[in-house]
Amino acid sequence: DVQLVESGGNLIQPGGSLRLSCVDSGFTFSGYSMNWVRQAPGKGLEWVSHISSSGTTYYADSVKGRFTTSRDNAKNSLFLQMNSLRAEDTGVYYCARDSSCGTYRYSCFDSWGQGTLVTVSS
Amino acid sequence: AIQMTQSPSSLSASVGDRVTITCRASQDVGNDLGWYQQKPGKAPKLLIFAASSLQSGVPSRFSGGGSGTDFTLTISSLQPEDFATYYCLQDYNYPFTFGPGTKVDIK
Repeated sequence: DVQLVESGGNLIQPGGSLRLSCVDSGFTFSGYSMNWVRQAPGKGLEWVSHISSSGTTYYADSVKGRFTTSRDNAKNSLFLQMNSLRAEDTGVYYCARDSSCGTYRYSCFDSWGQGTLVTVSS
Repeated sequence: AIQMTQSPSSLSASVGDRVTITCRASQDVGNDLGWYQQKPGKAPKLLIFAASSLQSGVPSRFSGGGSGTDFTLTISSLQPEDFATYYCLQDYNYPFTFGPGTKVDIK
């Protein structure tokens, strides 16, 4: 079974930096695109970033220039480096595997971690 | 960025009811739309991809429809375990965007 485990969430002051990790077990990590999705307390889901199997990245406008997604396929790991953190970055951060479902390989987030909480506050 | 809206934002329904949730995109996204279910304190779960394809293991009472800008998620006979919040996600182009969610609770 696929298992994604996030870590690295913490209480951090505004303007600070934090690095989240997501480690997979149970699937061929290197062959999949991965995403970060976050959820502010009591709010809806917000897509944050995508990294393809080859390392191409895309970001939400709200984090572009501040967040960097990377991966280490040898360690089956996904990372989210978050700089210049703001109060509005507070929330639970999920990593999600994109399995490219169906004949035409549609995007589909079919496996998710349990989430890690980031709190940005002074 | 493509904006997604959902209606209603919440609804109350009874077990056995037929429930339909609508998602609208601000521009044509083809069939590049998924539906996700989230229960409190849990990670989201994929229900539907490519607008109408049922994810493996998801009960057949869930169905998706639509294309272009207007999409629906239908639960044919609501079950107790279906009370949750439902989100659409456009994956047509980056940045991907979720709808604001529809909370389904017990009448």
